[in-house]
Amino acid sequence: DTAVSQTPKYLVTQMGNDKSIKCEQNLGHDTMYWYKQDSKKFLKIMFSYNNKELIINETVPNRFSPKSPDKAHLNLHINSLELGDSAVYFCASSRGPGGTQYFGPGTRLLVL
Amino acid sequence: QQQVKQSPQSLIVQKGGISIINCAYENTAFDYFPWYQQFPGKGPALLIAIRPDVSEKKEGRFTISFNKSAKQFSLHIMDSQPGDSATYFCAALGDSNYQLIWGAGTKLIIKP
Repeated sequence: DTAVSQTPKYLVTQMGNDKSIKCEQNLGHDTMYWYKQDSKKFLKIMFSYNNKELIINETVPNRFSPKSPDKAHLNLHINSLELGDSAVYFCASSRGPGGTQYFGPGTRLLVL
Repeated sequence: QQQVKQSPQSLIVQKGGISIINCAYENTAFDYFPWYQQFPGKGPALLIAIRPDVSEKKEGRFTISFNKSAKQFSLHIMDSQPGDSATYFCAALGDSNYQLIWGAGTKLIIKP
């Protein structure tokens, strides 16, 4: 029933670890996004895929690597986690690039 | 030129009052201006949007006013209710036509 879902909802981990966040949408959309929202609520676009092709690749550390196995899924892998990576990560999807974006519930990442 | 400047950062309004949030942009190529609403612990969701061919759009208690010559647009919430307490983001569709440029957000608190 959920349109855009993310797992896990919460992630607490130690510095230096590697972790993945998964996103799935059942809206039939072609475009998916990853955003980072910091403690001041600022939304920063990280990546976007359209039909499994990377179309937005903002300046983020190369420790962050997105992967889109198909149009309905967009995963985010983070290597060597740092304290500054602590944030809420949102996945979103839209019918096409520039369309109305539908957000998932977020993954709250805390790096200790 | 790709920025969207949003003010105020936070706003407290009495129940029944009018809440006004303002945004300004520089890039005249922007042609779609949405507002997103985010409740605590949730992802942002589209509230209302406008294109520059109209000066105002109203949906229920929510109105966008658009001033093309001044490159400004604002969200007005009439008869503000405690349930409207949320963070509001303005955005503009970039001239690449697939990247939303986000404002920094306004935390709105409606006091009963």
